[in-house]
Amino acid sequence: GDSVTQMEGPVTLSEEAFLTINCTYTATGYPSLFWYVQYPGEGLQLLLKATKADDKGSNKGFEATYRKETTSFHLEKGSVQVSDSAVYFCALSGGYNKLIFGAGTRLAVHP
Amino acid sequence: GAVVSQHPSWVICKSGTSVKIECRSLDFQATTMFWYRQFPKQSLMLMATSNEGSKATYEQGVEKDKFLINHASLTLSTLTVTSAHPEDSSFYICSAAPPGSDNEQFFGPGTRLTVL
Repeated sequence: GDSVTQMEGPVTLSEEAFLTINCTYTATGYPSLFWYVQYPGEGLQLLLKATKADDKGSNKGFEATYRKETTSFHLEKGSVQVSDSAVYFCALSGGYNKLIFGAGTRLAVHP
Repeated sequence: GAVVSQHPSWVICKSGTSVKIECRSLDFQATTMFWYRQFPKQSLMLMATSNEGSKATYEQGVEKDKFLINHASLTLSTLTVTSAHPEDSSFYICSAAPPGSDNEQFFGPGTRLTVL
């Protein structure tokens, strides 16, 4: 069945460092791909999405490109801030609008 | 953006009792809502799809008699954990996708259930 694999955390970075969180997927068909973020004590929020191959989603300095050939949707940010500390979830849309999530990657950014 | 609320935000109950959690779409109508369970430091596991006016669709391994779902209106879905036990303690999250949102789901803030 469909699945999402993302790199294990926690990821600890200094402020202004470059961030990459890897995400690969297995799916039949052509799913939409998403990155959700969960800040401490809050619910999940959509960070960005891409609906077809080669699409690039971007928001708040984060970007991810839908790579069909490598079945990947890696999240990147050029310069992280302390306020980016959160748990990041990669997800794909399965059948019937279901979302299938990766395990989540905790990011901690320190000054 | 679309807003989804949950109530209560946290609940503590005794083993053997039942607990009801509400999920509301505040500014849109949702024919479908989703219920997830999240264990500490783990991912969200889809439990069931709640369908307005019909029976919920449960994921494999989820006990439908244990986790009762009712979607009585286009803005409200409820999850009732029946005869709760300590192993049911978890974070329960609902979501809904507004019409025309291209599969973008909006999530409620979650309900933390602790069963003593």
